[in-house]
Amino acid sequence: GPKVLQIPSHQIIDMGQMVTLNCDPVSNHLYFYWYKQILGQQMEFLVNFYNGKVMEKSKLFKDQFSVERPDGSYFTLKIQPTALEDSAVYFCASSLWTGGARAETLYFGSGTRLTVL
Amino acid sequence: QQKVQQSPESLSVPEGGMASLNCTSSDRNFQYFWWYRQHSGEGPKALMSIFSDGDKKEGRFTAHLNKASLHVSLHIRDSQPSDSALYFCAASEGSSSFSKLVFGQGTSLSVVP
Repeated sequence: GPKVLQIPSHQIIDMGQMVTLNCDPVSNHLYFYWYKQILGQQMEFLVNFYNGKVMEKSKLFKDQFSVERPDGSYFTLKIQPTALEDSAVYFCASSLWTGGARAETLYFGSGTRLTVL
Repeated sequence: QQKVQQSPESLSVPEGGMASLNCTSSDRNFQYFWWYRQHSGEGPKALMSIFSDGDKKEGRFTAHLNKASLHVSLHIRDSQPSDSALYFCAASEGSSSFSKLVFGQGTSLSVVP
């Protein structure tokens, strides 16, 4: 099936540092998402992104967070500066809009486990 | 308040048995539902979607949706040890791809050989 790749799989950084999480979405997908999961629990929506713009973000998407996809390369989530509560697994997802009046399935990567010390 | 509630929190069934998972939404804007499965160390993977009232069957998996009560269920027959995972119900308002998925808190399924 469609594959979403996330790099790195693990990242350990000191509080206050900047971190960039990278996502390579499914090649023909146009919509991109970041979700946050703590300790194998609920998946929490952070942000979605289309055509170079943030379409919607949740209250978890703090001012320290930003997303971009420059020139069709990686879709990135940047956190600057990081805080202890940012420790979690971050999942990237993508979907394809086919133009119908239905919702599309999201395809998730394997996640980046971020540990903030 | 959780907009998507799942029950039970955890479930253990014998190999070959039937597993039944439940999900209820409190938001009538949610019209589209998915079941996702997440094995340890991996990302969630869509098992099946259901958008219309009634049953939808895919192999050993059957989903049932009742839009009036906003209740969706997943039944796994002939459960296998490889079915042991975290199962999420997810809902969307739909109608466009940037309509986000809202997840329930998950049901941990253990299939015992």
